[in-house]
Amino acid sequence: GQSLEQPSEVTAVEGAIVQINCTYQTSGFYGLSWYQQHDGGAPTFLSYNALDGLEETGRFSSFLSRSDSYGYLLLQELQMKDSASYFCAADFISNYQLIWGAGTKLIIKP
Amino acid sequence: DTGVSQNPRHKITKRGQNVTFRCDPISEHNRLYWYRQTLGQGPEFLTYFQNEAQLEKSRLLSDRFSAERPKGSFSTLEIQRTEQGDSAMYLCASSDTGTGGLNEQYFGPGTRLTVT
Repeated sequence: GQSLEQPSEVTAVEGAIVQINCTYQTSGFYGLSWYQQHDGGAPTFLSYNALDGLEETGRFSSFLSRSDSYGYLLLQELQMKDSASYFCAADFISNYQLIWGAGTKLIIKP
Repeated sequence: DTGVSQNPRHKITKRGQNVTFRCDPISEHNRLYWYRQTLGQGPEFLTYFQNEAQLEKSRLLSDRFSAERPKGSFSTLEIQRTEQGDSAMYLCASSDTGTGGLNEQYFGPGTRLTVT
């Protein structure tokens, strides 16, 4: 089957660095996306990895390792506004849809 | 470019009634997706259009659900004979067909459906 697993909740301190992991089933896997969703808001696209390695976009970076069937989102210099849920979503060769993880709620403490 | 819009933003209906939601995607996007999301869960794929063609539909989707995109622009999602289990946020997203088009989706604000 096609499924993704990520931690349900992560807590970090303002100004710190946090990593949110995502593991996926490999059958037909093509690439991994990350989305941010604030409470009551719509998901917004953060990054996409189709190749192994690190993609950096400002304070956010995303990493993919195909050999380990996992990726992560790295958030640096955490700000209170980064408190949100973060979803990994994968696309697979066999279909047109994204398969989404259940989301990781990031709680940031001052 | 005003982004993806959805109407209505909220809908309360009684069980057994039919409801219809509308999505207007970003104008130059030819891919359109419908999702359902419940609290604490990721978006659940419902269906996908490329232009006016419905290319994929979730196997989990009851035949009470139908979607159209008649002219390849706006789309409607209809739920017939609503049930309490249909209560959720219904999200629409659009994307282009360029590199990463499937992955970089732009979401509307959603329609929150409450079935009483």
